[in-house]
Amino acid sequence: EPEVTQTPSHQVTQMGQEVILRCVPISNHLYFYWYRQILGQKVEFLVSFYNNEISEKSEIFDDQFSVERPDGSNFTLKIRSTKLEDSAMYFCASRGTSGYTGELFFGEGSRLTVL
Amino acid sequence: AQSVTQPDIHITVSEGASLELRCNYSYGATPYLFWYVQSPGQGLQLLLKYFSGDTLVQGIKGFEAEFKRSQSSFNLRKPSVHWSDAAEYFCAVGANAGNMLTFGGGTRLMVKP
Repeated sequence: EPEVTQTPSHQVTQMGQEVILRCVPISNHLYFYWYRQILGQKVEFLVSFYNNEISEKSEIFDDQFSVERPDGSNFTLKIRSTKLEDSAMYFCASRGTSGYTGELFFGEGSRLTVL
Repeated sequence: AQSVTQPDIHITVSEGASLELRCNYSYGATPYLFWYVQSPGQGLQLLLKYFSGDTLVQGIKGFEAEFKRSQSSFNLRKPSVHWSDAAEYFCAVGANAGNMLTFGGGTRLMVKP
């Protein structure tokens, strides 16, 4: 069964460092997303990406965050200068082209710990 | 703004017992509603979804949910719980299937033998 894969599964970094989280969406999907979950809190939408541009983003997704699809398979989330409050589980998701009813497929998440 | 409330943070049921997980939402228009499950070390898996039509929707693993507009609820049910159902369950609402889903805080289900 096709799946969304994320790397790394866990990353520890120092405050102020840049972090790149990587995702390989399902191959024929065209819509890509990042969500995050701070420990003990709700899963929160960060950004959606379609046709090589951001289609929607939340208030969380400020100038410290960026997304990119550098090639035909990867979808990355970059945090330029990490803060303690960026510590969270980051989920990548992708969706096919079944209009508004297409299912979101989530990866297993990348846990980011900022020290 | 849309919001989702899952009143129960933890629920423990005996194997074979019935289960109901509560979800209440706030949304200005007709919502798209979802239930996701997250097993330890796994990603979020879609159990079922409601967009329109029959208010009782069937999902995978024997789960069902009922949309009640008058109560702004979308409770998840299963008639007989299995030990493998132990996981965290998330209710979500959105304007469509993907963009800007708003999740509830989750309910952690434990199953006693």
